[in-house]
Amino acid sequence: SAVISQKPSRDICQRGTSLTIQCQVDSQVTMMFWYRQQPGQSLTLIATANQGSEATYESGFVIDKFPISRPNLTFSTLTVSNMSPEDSSIYLCSGAPRDREFDEQYFGPGTRLTVT
Amino acid sequence: QKEVEQNSGPLSVPEGAIASLNCTYSDRGSQSFFWYRQYSGKSPELIMFIYSNGDKEDGRFTAQLNKASQYVSLLIRDSQPSDSATYLCAVFQGAQKLVFGQGTRLTINP
Repeated sequence: SAVISQKPSRDICQRGTSLTIQCQVDSQVTMMFWYRQQPGQSLTLIATANQGSEATYESGFVIDKFPISRPNLTFSTLTVSNMSPEDSSIYLCSGAPRDREFDEQYFGPGTRLTVT
Repeated sequence: QKEVEQNSGPLSVPEGAIASLNCTYSDRGSQSFFWYRQYSGKSPELIMFIYSNGDKEDGRFTAQLNKASQYVSLLIRDSQPSDSATYLCAVFQGAQKLVFGQGTRLTINP
């Protein structure tokens, strides 16, 4: 499996500001993914981050609000821009290790964001 | 119709019994299927994956897949209180992404 870390683990931010979440994997992964999980809900995919190309966003999520970087095969960042209280959620990154045949994804510990 | 459907529960099972968790999916072309366990306040942890029809066993866990019925299940034998968690079914679709069900909350009663 892959070991994934995220920073920060939690933050409280003011409305209108931006927060960048970092995701680091201990091995090379082909694809990295960013999810949002609101309290009591399942996971919603925000975007897929590919190294060397722009991220692919899911319906309802746009690059201006959630810009993503993927500079190499072990690291990605997600920025939550111009935050509002509706952005309060847990943000999770995941990766699918390159040596796996069936696209198993492993998750980081998550970033708990509260917007006031 | 949701792409991946699970009974949200809660499902309550006595300790030592078999817990049975079910999931149906709508995309007939789906190829691989995953079960994640999520403890409260923690991130999802991959516990099983299956890609061919039939059963796959790993310790106390058995995943079952029936592609004709578009149905995947997870059995937990000899349930322990530590198995109490939310179990998420996820289906890998051709668009190169995992689609998650809403999760089933399982409680094992001592």
